[in-house]
Amino acid sequence: KNQVEQSPQSLIILEGKNCTLQCNYTVSPFSNLRWYKQDTGRGPVSLTIMTFSENTKSNGRYTATLDADTKQSSLHITASQLSDSASYICVVSQYYGNNRLAFGKGNQVVVIP
Amino acid sequence: NAGVTQTPKFRILKIGQSMTLQCTQDMNHNYMYWYRQDPGMGLKLIYYSVGAGITDKGEVPNGYNVSRSTTEDFPLRLELAAPSQTSVYFCASSPSRDSYEQYFGPGTRLTVT
Repeated sequence: KNQVEQSPQSLIILEGKNCTLQCNYTVSPFSNLRWYKQDTGRGPVSLTIMTFSENTKSNGRYTATLDADTKQSSLHITASQLSDSASYICVVSQYYGNNRLAFGKGNQVVVIP
Repeated sequence: NAGVTQTPKFRILKIGQSMTLQCTQDMNHNYMYWYRQDPGMGLKLIYYSVGAGITDKGEVPNGYNVSRSTTEDFPLRLELAAPSQTSVYFCASSPSRDSYEQYFGPGTRLTVT
């Protein structure tokens, strides 16, 4: 079964500090990996999308890495802000399947002043 | 562009009642999706459509029906609502099968009691 596991489940960080979120997957064959940010009560919004040939991709203070050999990804948040408080969801797409996606449960991040 | 819009935002149903969740997108996307998100769980695909007149089942289709008469609209029908259908429902769209981006609506929070 195609699975996406994220860790830690939740974390609290001080404003201005950095943090790293982890994602391990077993989806095969692999097409691409996405990180979404989901604010409370809202729909997910895409942060980054990486194919197997991409090792890193940045979107402002968000930097995602991908190791397709070990099937691991991370999302690094630099100089966190209060607005970064959200759930961060790792999503992996299979190569075949009409854009079918496997969703992780999310990393719940709370940034405190 | 409004993007993906969903109505209603909230709804409480009694067991056995029926309702339709509305989803509309104004981006002329061919692909549309319905997901449900249960607390602490990853999103699960209910149904998807690759174009007007074409729909297919996702991972958890039981208890739901869909139709796609236009490119813009993709309503989700719940017949004989059950407590297990209490969830947050998200509609999403993407331009094509090869597009990596899915755009999500704000969600509908449904409670069945």
